[in-house]
Amino acid sequence: KAGVTQTPRYLIKTRGQQVTLSCSPISGHRSVSWYQQTPGQGLQFLFEYFSETQRNKGNFPGRFSGRQFSNSRSEMNVSTLELGDSALYLCASSRDLRDTEAFFGQGTRLTVV
Amino acid sequence: AQTVTQSQPEMSVQEAETVTLSCTYDTSESDYYLFWYKQPPSRQMILVIRQEAYKQQNATENRFSVNFQKAAKSFSLKISDSQLGDAAMYFCAYRSDLNDMRFGAGTRLTVKP
Repeated sequence: KAGVTQTPRYLIKTRGQQVTLSCSPISGHRSVSWYQQTPGQGLQFLFEYFSETQRNKGNFPGRFSGRQFSNSRSEMNVSTLELGDSALYLCASSRDLRDTEAFFGQGTRLTVV
Repeated sequence: AQTVTQSQPEMSVQEAETVTLSCTYDTSESDYYLFWYKQPPSRQMILVIRQEAYKQQNATENRFSVNFQKAAKSFSLKISDSQLGDAAMYFCAYRSDLNDMRFGAGTRLTVKP
């Protein structure tokens, strides 16, 4: 069975632009979470979606947003990009909202120049 | 707030030997889950082992085992018969029904042939 798929794998954007990242969860999984990973801050929780509803949100500015579609695929959007947004963005899927086992994708490496 | 601390930024072990990675956490919750994730150079997070806080028995997965001390809020990972493929970043993580997943800063494990 296919794993969690994140697209694109790599992305280079300019300051002030916006970006959309995509995550397709494992078939049958309904919960999707997003994380930002940087050398300085480590892994930080962005948000969690279940049944097209945001269930939990981390401590990030409003420039970071997301959504989930009826097929459980999720997108996250970052507007007005800043240099500090350069990071590896990881998506994880679980069967249900509080399923203890989360499966991660390979991430999208975003570089803001 | 729930925090996870990994006090060893780097560890090294000789191939076939045993190594223990440390993790402590802070929480006021009584019911939660603890995880060890491995992140190889491919950047994909892979679940190594998990422990439910209500279970007294330490979890074991082949060469990987944990020492869970609930009162001390300690959750160490022991890797036996270390292999070259075990070289990676290892993250300790905490999750509960009320909170999203929190990660430690990680420990980089090097395996020497």
